[in-house]
Amino acid sequence: EPEVTQTPSHQVTQMGQEVILRCVPISNHLYFYWYRQILGQKVEFLVSFYNNEISEKSEIFDDQFSVERPDGSNFTLKIRSTKLEDSAMYFCASSDISGTGGLGGANVLTFGAGSRLTVL
Amino acid sequence: GESVGLHLPTLSVQEGDNSIINCAYSNSASDYFIWYKQESGKGPQFIIDIRSNMDKRQGQRVTVLLNKTVKHLSLQIAATQPGDSAVYFCAENILTGGGNKLTFGTGTQLKVEL
Repeated sequence: EPEVTQTPSHQVTQMGQEVILRCVPISNHLYFYWYRQILGQKVEFLVSFYNNEISEKSEIFDDQFSVERPDGSNFTLKIRSTKLEDSAMYFCASSDISGTGGLGGANVLTFGAGSRLTVL
Repeated sequence: GESVGLHLPTLSVQEGDNSIINCAYSNSASDYFIWYKQESGKGPQFIIDIRSNMDKRQGQRVTVLLNKTVKHLSLQIAATQPGDSAVYFCAENILTGGGNKLTFGTGTQLKVEL
């Protein structure tokens, strides 16, 4: 079964350092997403990406964050200068054409296993 | 070490019993509602979805009920098995021009006792 793969599984970094989290979405998917989950809290939307540009972003996704699809297969999340509060599990997700997939009609997002970021 | 902030509602059921997990949502404009299952150390996994103009959908061993009057969603799992132990999240799905934006609920920890 196709899956979304994420690397690294765990990264520890010092506050102020740049971090790049990598994702390989499912190959025929067109929409890409990053979500994050602070320990013990709900999963939060960060950004969606389609046709090589950001289509929507949340208030969390400020100027310190950026996304890129550098080579047609990888989808990266960069945090320019990490803060303590950036410590979280970051999930990449992908989906096919919006509006299809789920049997009830919802588009199904397939999530990766996540990258745990620890900022010290 | 001790987990900080991990105060999820917990539902404990005996193996073989039925489980009902509830969720309140906030956005009347949501197009779909989805249940995700998250096992320890893994990402959320799609279980079942329901369109906003429906009130019930059934899948394999799972049923989702939607009550738009009180903005309430529930997931029923029949004959709960040990493999069902996980955190269950409801999510509201709003279709946008750029894909799907999911707003997740806080989650419920389901523990299946043998």
